[in-house]
Amino acid sequence: EVQLVESGGGLVKPGSSLKLSCVASGFTFSSYGMHWIRQAPKKGLEWIALIYYDSSNKYYADSVKGRFTISRDNSKNTLYLEMNSLRSEDTAMYYCAKSGGSRNFDYWGQGVMVTVSS
Amino acid sequence: DVVLTQSPATLSVTPGERISLSCRASESVDTYLHWYQQKPNESPRLLIKYASQSISGIPSRFSGSGSGTDFTLSINGVELEDLSIYYCQQGNSLPFTFGSGTKLEIK
Repeated sequence: EVQLVESGGGLVKPGSSLKLSCVASGFTFSSYGMHWIRQAPKKGLEWIALIYYDSSNKYYADSVKGRFTISRDNSKNTLYLEMNSLRSEDTAMYYCAKSGGSRNFDYWGQGVMVTVSS
Repeated sequence: DVVLTQSPATLSVTPGERISLSCRASESVDTYLHWYQQKPNESPRLLIKYASQSISGIPSRFSGSGSGTDFTLSINGVELEDLSIYYCQQGNSLPFTFGSGTKLEIK
């Protein structure tokens, strides 16, 4: 059974940093691209970052480019999202998701909440 | 960026009805159009991939159609458990984008 478990969220002040983790199990983590997707309270879904299976390529939404960094450690089956210069508009539930073979997200974690507020 | 427009924003239905939800893309996404269901307080789950391909474990009452810019998610015989928000997502080009969702309410 595929499982994705996020952690590392919390309440932080504007301008601060936070690092999210997502531990994967139930599939060969090192063979799949992984994504971060977020959802602001009562809002829709926003894709924010993609990392290829071997970390050879990384892509970001314009809204986080230059502030967020996606990375992975295939030896630990773990995906990361390092978030710097956080803003109030970054307040959201953050999901990690596994790449499906057709450029979709076939498995999602339960999400971790990040709140940016003074 | 590809903009996906979903309609209607909210749909109130009677159990047993057949319904259709629309997703329109601002430019062609071929068939790289996928549908997700998000129940209250849950993570989204993939319902339909590649516009019309079914997903293992998803009830057969869910189906998808379309290509290019116009897509439809159909539910043949809505059930109470289908109370959710439905999102379409394009995977044709980065950044991947989602529609704003259609909220399904049960009468």
